[in-house]
Amino acid sequence: DQQVKQNSPSLSVQEGRISILNCDYTNSMFDYFLWYKKYPAEGPTFLISISSIKDKNEDGRFTVFLNKSAKHLSLHIVPSQPGDSAVYFCAASYAYSGAGSYQLTFGKGTKLSVIP
Amino acid sequence: NAGVTQTPKFQVLKTGQSMTLQCAQDMNHNSMYWYRQDPGMGLRLIYYSASEGTTDKGEVPNGYNVSRLNKREFSLRLESAAPSQTSVYFCASRERGTSGEQYFGPGTRLTVT
Repeated sequence: DQQVKQNSPSLSVQEGRISILNCDYTNSMFDYFLWYKKYPAEGPTFLISISSIKDKNEDGRFTVFLNKSAKHLSLHIVPSQPGDSAVYFCAASYAYSGAGSYQLTFGKGTKLSVIP
Repeated sequence: NAGVTQTPKFQVLKTGQSMTLQCAQDMNHNSMYWYRQDPGMGLRLIYYSASEGTTDKGEVPNGYNVSRLNKREFSLRLESAAPSQTSVYFCASRERGTSGEQYFGPGTRLTVT
């Protein structure tokens, strides 16, 4: 059973417009959420995160929104740039066994294409 | 700082052969992880090491073994490779006390024929 879901495999957006990437989760124990960006032939790189005690976190052009009641989060990129074209993974975590052994559970990813 | 490094970058194996994927990090992180990424499947955790001297199974551990050689190094071994293990393998590390942010290596692309 998939605990973190990204239901849109791909998204195309015009340069300068807003990109909105969505993610849903089912496990109520998750208390920290992250977005990673991945270019082809590279490892994922951390983009932005949000704790479950917040509903919004902003970093430059990137904003993540969390709706705990709906178990939904979204990543907004404004304005979108061609260099943002990549696969974006949503991930969620919580502490296992009280030992701080946080593990990440990833969604399947959304491929964003920003068209010049 | 190199961050997280992985060797080799590419590898082709025949079914039944064995190999070890190497991972090292220079960020003094306590926790290290091995993932595999398959098309349309996202990243799935194979094994992790919360600290030096400990290892635990993740979501898809069958067919793999790991060794946390020291604080810097975490290796993944395939004893008898199978075509189902064709994948891209990523190593990652995390600093103790943080909630989840992991730093990833560039990956090893493995093909088993």
